[in-house]
Amino acid sequence: DTGVSQNPRHKITKRGQNVTFRCDPISEHNRLYWYRQTLGQGPEFLTYFQNEAQLEKSRLLSDRFSAERPKGSFSTLEIQRTEQGDSAMYLCASSFEGVGTEAFFGQGTRLTVV
Amino acid sequence: GNSVTQMEGPVTLSEEAFLTINCTYTATGYPSLFWYVQYPGEGLQLLLKATKADDKGSNKGFEATYRKETTSFHLEKGSVQVSDSAVYFCALSGSSGNTPLVFGKGTRLSVIA
Repeated sequence: DTGVSQNPRHKITKRGQNVTFRCDPISEHNRLYWYRQTLGQGPEFLTYFQNEAQLEKSRLLSDRFSAERPKGSFSTLEIQRTEQGDSAMYLCASSFEGVGTEAFFGQGTRLTVV
Repeated sequence: GNSVTQMEGPVTLSEEAFLTINCTYTATGYPSLFWYVQYPGEGLQLLLKATKADDKGSNKGFEATYRKETTSFHLEKGSVQVSDSAVYFCALSGSSGNTPLVFGKGTRLSVIA
């Protein structure tokens, strides 16, 4: 297994455009998480899935953000009508369920909104 | 809600110096505690963890002890190397196992030869 894979690694888009990111988790993991990280800050939780069910969304998550995990495998995160404030690194992680389990992170997708 | 507060950086040390990065947390019950590290150009990776009070996590010469009485999980290393230069994140997950990781802001460590 090659670990958690995220595509694309970099995305530059114009304000107002829609973007979609993909995450392929470690295949045996049933949990998948999305985080956002800005410069000088720790990862900020956005949402997570257990299998195909979206179990939790951050209250900070705008209605412009939507995530899916069809069939409980890969996941997509879409941002509609992007704004400059959406510029950040978007991280995906996966894990087994359970207390104290390790989350494995991908290398992230860096979004720049111009 | 759950939260983590960690020492602000950046921290600059000479090679072979002693390292401490402080981390305290707020959570109900008995959360699991983690230190993640991000080396330049790489993704976050787990450095060590502890899942119950008084447990000590250790890896690559780093150690941290889960102190329930002081709600702390300070990271220590006796002798740092240039290759330890990275950003270190303290994190916790709730005692139910159903809450996602909550991270601190990170501490950048630079080790100079």
